[in-house]
Amino acid sequence: QSVLTQPPSATGTPGQRVSMSCSGGFSNIGSNLVNWYQHLPGAAPKLLIYSNNQRPSGVPDRFSGSKSGTSASLAISGLQPEDEADYYCAAWDDSLKGQLFGGGTKLTVL
Amino acid sequence: EEQLVESGGGLVRPGGSLTLSCAASGFIFTNYEMNWVRQAPGKGLEWVSYISPSSGSMYYAESVKGRFTISRDNAKNSLFLQISSLRVEDTAVYYCAREVYYHGSETGMDVWGQGTMVTVSS
Repeated sequence: QSVLTQPPSATGTPGQRVSMSCSGGFSNIGSNLVNWYQHLPGAAPKLLIYSNNQRPSGVPDRFSGSKSGTSASLAISGLQPEDEADYYCAAWDDSLKGQLFGGGTKLTVL
Repeated sequence: EEQLVESGGGLVRPGGSLTLSCAASGFIFTNYEMNWVRQAPGKGLEWVSYISPSSGSMYYAESVKGRFTISRDNAKNSLFLQISSLRVEDTAVYYCAREVYYHGSETGMDVWGQGTMVTVSS
């Protein structure tokens, strides 16, 4: 059981907007910045969002992040087939003194 | 091109030991904090360990504390993870990942290796 809770799956069709949540607690999301990673099968994970809502260079603006209290969310607009991947939220935990990853949400593009 | 390449994985018996290596190229290794992250078969990503540029700070996940040791050799642009007292549940792909600072405390793991597989089985 991950300390950061994500729904195991999400589904969308091309062109649609989907969002996925990440729920934590005061010592992690509530006190620290949230990052999101995209992990395609057989590839290295990729940093998608840092500092709650910032996109690294090269990440399309179709991807957006937000945070409120002890929860965060990732939204993908204009869904494309190549967006089919696992998505992980991550945050530092002050109590555990370590980085936490959520359990991951598997996005299927129908 | 900024690159990380892991090596050292393999099949090991429970209770055994292994040292994983991560070779960095294309960037000034000594400027960056580094992490190890693993993914067990069919499971999600799990952060394992962190080391500061000067090796002055190291952190570990509770699940590996006391059994894993992170280290680095800045002269050789290399990161290491010594893993001992291995358990079946340590079976995973182990990735090394660079931590980048964007502004102030805004960080993220922006460069990842392709991973090295560690299988713990009798």
